[in-house]
Amino acid sequence: NAGVMQNPRHLVRRRGQEARLRCSPMKGHSHVYWYRQLPEEGLKFMVYLQKENIIDESGMPKERFSAEFPKEGPSILRIQQVVRGDSAAYFCASSPEGSDGYTFGSGTRLTVV
Amino acid sequence: DAKTTQPPSMDCAEGRAANLPCNHSTISGNEYVYWYRQIHSQGPQYIIHGLKNNETNEMASLIITEDRKSSTLILPHATLRDTAVYYCIVRLPFLTGANSKLTFGKGITLSVRP
Repeated sequence: NAGVMQNPRHLVRRRGQEARLRCSPMKGHSHVYWYRQLPEEGLKFMVYLQKENIIDESGMPKERFSAEFPKEGPSILRIQQVVRGDSAAYFCASSPEGSDGYTFGSGTRLTVV
Repeated sequence: DAKTTQPPSMDCAEGRAANLPCNHSTISGNEYVYWYRQIHSQGPQYIIHGLKNNETNEMASLIITEDRKSSTLILPHATLRDTAVYYCIVRLPFLTGANSKLTFGKGITLSVRP
């Protein structure tokens, strides 16, 4: 049973480009969470999704960031027009329905140059 | 904001017990104490959680004071691979219907020395 899969592991983008981060939850998990970790800081919650629904996006920056978790396929965190301050590690976690059994992926490290 | 405070760092010798403290003086009656750790460059890993009774699993023990205002995570025989940032988090359990997001503080960096 594979864990939470995130890809790519490392992503380099120039300022102004778009970044797309993918997260495949564990098999049987229907809840996905995205967290961001800026250099030398703790993890900060961004968004919580269930299939085709955004449940809580209170941690998402109001502009340029969006997330989806379609009926089929992985969850996508999309950052438009990236800036240097977006450089961070982005972690995805998943849990099954009716449980708080969080499992984190290994993260995507975004570097904006 | 995180509802917990932890010292920034501590170290211990390999093979000895590591006792990691956490203060959560504003914890409410139905909030649990959770511990996660993050080994360098990896995603956080769940360790243990508890409400008011002491808990033990294959990784660690969790001791919660009677007034629930503080707790201690115990790694009974620390190894070099236990070097990591350890996060103490208080939260409502998902099954209560509350939002299940985790609020991480800065954590405590444990360094296990040979």
